[in-house]
Amino acid sequence: KAGVTQTPRYLIKTRGQQVTLSCSPISGHRSVSWYQQTPGQGLQFLFEYFSETQRNKGNFPGRFSGRQFSNSRSEMNVSTLELGDSALYLCASSNAEKTYEQYFGPGTRLTVT
Amino acid sequence: AQKITQTQPGMFVQEKEAVTLDCTYDTSDQSYGLFWYKQPSSGEMIFLIYQGSYDEQNATEGRYSLNFQKARKSANLVISASQLGDSAMYFCLLYSGAGSYQLTFGKGTKLSVIP
Repeated sequence: KAGVTQTPRYLIKTRGQQVTLSCSPISGHRSVSWYQQTPGQGLQFLFEYFSETQRNKGNFPGRFSGRQFSNSRSEMNVSTLELGDSALYLCASSNAEKTYEQYFGPGTRLTVT
Repeated sequence: AQKITQTQPGMFVQEKEAVTLDCTYDTSDQSYGLFWYKQPSSGEMIFLIYQGSYDEQNATEGRYSLNFQKARKSANLVISASQLGDSAMYFCLLYSGAGSYQLTFGKGTKLSVIP
């Protein structure tokens, strides 16, 4: 089985811009979760999508949004980028029976200048 | 509120020796799960081991075992026979609730294996 894939792997944006990150889950997995990892805050849960619906949400501002398509692929969007949004964004997928067992992608490293 | 504490920011271990990485947690939920993930310098998070709150036996996966002490709210990861490839960040994760669940990561422990 192919693993979780994330595109792009690296991204450089300037303040004020917006960005869209993509995640393709493992085949058959319907749950996709997004995480932000920074040196200061560590790993933080952003949100989870299941069957095209946002099921769980972490404590992030509304600038962070996401969606999931019918093929379970998910996108995460960050609008009006701030310097503090520079981070590694990780996506994880899991199947319906074991949503706690998450398989992570390689991440997208976003740098905001 | 949930909380995960990993008190060891960094650790060193000699190759082929065993090492224990500490993790304590706090949750008011009766049903929860504890995970350990490894993150090499490449950035990808690798699932290592899982322990459910109702599991009576400690989880084991190859060289990894989880020393689960429910009363003390600790879930320490034990790596036996350390290898150079074990050098990485290790994160403890608490998962609780069903449906609308909560996920909390620890700050991580950087393990360095010395030849």
